[in-house]
Order: sequence, then C-alpha cells, then structure tokens
Amino acid sequence: DVKVTQSSRYLVKRTGEKVFLECVQDMDHENMFWYRQDPGLGLRLIYFSYDVKMKEKGDIPEGYSVSREKKERFSLILESASTNQTSMYLCASSSPFLGARIPGANVLTFGAGSRLTVL
Amino acid sequence: QKEVEQNSGPLSVPEGAIASLNCTYSDRGSQSFFWYRQYSGKSPELIMSIYSNGDKEDGRFTAQLNKASQYVSLLIRDSQPSDSATYLCAVNWETGNQFYFGTGTSLTVIP
Repeated sequence: DVKVTQSSRYLVKRTGEKVFLECVQDMDHENMFWYRQDPGLGLRLIYFSYDVKMKEKGDIPEGYSVSREKKERFSLILESASTNQTSMYLCASSSPFLGARIPGANVLTFGAGSRLTVL
Repeated sequence: QKEVEQNSGPLSVPEGAIASLNCTYSDRGSQSFFWYRQYSGKSPELIMSIYSNGDKEDGRFTAQLNKASQYVSLLIRDSQPSDSATYLCAVNWETGNQFYFGTGTSLTVIP
C-alpha cells in the first residue's frame, strides 16, 4: 500500500513564526500535493509538484511556499504564520495519468493530516 | 461556477437503508472520478474510482457515472452506523493531473 507520512499531527505556533510541514511518500509517485481543509470550504489546493524541483501554484498559494528536493519528499513552508492559516493541512501523492485505466494508477492517496493552530 | 458540486447535507438514513450521494461536475473533457470517505478528524480515504459510464459495484458500494448529465453518484446499501462520515467527490481532468473536490456530503446512519 502507498504510504504518505506527514511529520506532525498537531502543531501550535505563534503568529510570525516560520512553520515547516514535511511529507514523505514511499511509492515513487511523481505527483505530490498540499491541500488545506476548512469547515464549509472543503479541500483547497495550495501547491503541487510533478517532479523534483518543480512546483506549481494551486488555488490558494498566498502565504505559502514549497520545496521538493527529493522525489519522495514535499515540504510546505509558512514563512510567517498568521492566525488565518490555522487549518488542517493534507499532503497527498499520485502517479501521473498514464493514458490507460491501470488499477491503482492516478489515484490520490492522503497522509494523516497536520492540524496547525496559529495563536 | 464551481468545478465539482455536492449537496452538503446533512443526510440521515436509518440503519439498513440505502444512502444515495450525488455529485455534479463541469465538463472539461476526459475525466476520472473518485469517491472518498472522511471520518471526523481523519484524512480522506478512497472508496471507489470510476472511469466509464454506468455502474461499478464493490461490496455494499455502487458508483454510478452519467457523463451526458455530468453527474456521478454513490450508493451505499445496507447502511451501517460505521458509514457515518463525510463523503467527498473528486474529479481528475486527466490533461491537467489535478484533482478537484466537492465540499463533501455529511452522512449519518441512525441505529
């Protein structure tokens, strides 16, 4: 089974702190994603990456940056945390669409999530 | 216009009944469709994927896809209290490799 591991389940930070959220997957997936989830707003894509050192902005990139130095690791960085960044952060990975309906391909698998509270 | 829309619910059904969850989407070419279940405080987990028009069954779950009408549904037969969760519909427009999610439908199965 694909395993996506997020380093911290719960974090409490203060406004202005720099925050790192780490995500590691063990199935050699090319694609990795960071979402945040808030009540009533659903899952919103922050950043995603198709390859090492490659990143693309999602729907809500403001206030965030990412790093992908190795294929298995995708980090989300809050340069200066603010209270409106209090949320559940979900990392996910998938293989790319291969043009055929290969069972298990092109399926998004999530980590356990990181609940961040910014005071 | 939102890409993927779901009725947020809450939807309540008695134990043993059929729960029906619906999702509509914007047409943007070839797609893959997914249903995820999310328990409170947990991350989403995949229940079903469907790629072609028609029905796909897996145990008590049936996914139905109608591309002409642009909707995908999930039926849960013999609903159990353990099925109480939020169900997320997701669409992958394959040219973009991105996944778009609905806001989820909250389901409660009453014993």
